[in-house]
Amino acid sequence: DIRLTQSPSSLSASVGDRVIITCRASQTMTTYLNWYQQKPGKAPKLLIYGISTLQRGVPARFSGSGSGTEFALTISGLQPDDFATYYCQQSYSTPFTFGPGTKLETK
Amino acid sequence: QVQLQESGPGLVKPSQTLSLACAVSGDSISTNTVGWSWIRQSPSRGLEWLGRTYYRSKWYADYAVSVESRVTFNPDTSRNQISLQLDSVTPEDTALYYCARETLTGNWDFFDSWGQGTLVTVSS
Repeated sequence: DIRLTQSPSSLSASVGDRVIITCRASQTMTTYLNWYQQKPGKAPKLLIYGISTLQRGVPARFSGSGSGTEFALTISGLQPDDFATYYCQQSYSTPFTFGPGTKLETK
Repeated sequence: QVQLQESGPGLVKPSQTLSLACAVSGDSISTNTVGWSWIRQSPSRGLEWLGRTYYRSKWYADYAVSVESRVTFNPDTSRNQISLQLDSVTPEDTALYYCARETLTGNWDFFDSWGQGTLVTVSS
């Protein structure tokens, strides 16, 4: 199974900040790395797929990057709506796996 | 716009069978560019993919090793829904269960639609 680790596990930031969340995979995954946002009581929501492609309707302040085994989600100019938990996920091979999550909290 | 709705009992006794349904609207479960997964979430295990079923001229299923001896997914094309059956449940199966649509296109593969989730508690 491909194991995903995320750092940091939690992060305190302020509106307007730029934050970076990293995801490391236990093996190379080509383009099959996705990012989701989850708010309390809600299902995860797809933000970015294929490492860097923004899902329709997702604000351009979200961006994804990386290759091989190292990936990142960047939020440029945090908005109040962005405080949530973020997960990376791989679809390179089954079983599909998720990272443990990064909780983004307001400072 | 595709919508997914999970349903099922909120409480199941240990050793019994858990049965959940995922009703899909806005898309056919037989569409040959998508798959339908069950994913659960708990504080101890995080987000855990249980498996998927998909139609490519016939129905296929992949299951996670952690549950493959106990789990079955059944597509019901007349109702446009996917059911999950999990046998011999234990308290470790207590979780929020989601169904999700997996879209496969080119070099991309992602979960773009999710149900709201249904909470299942395993307890006597």
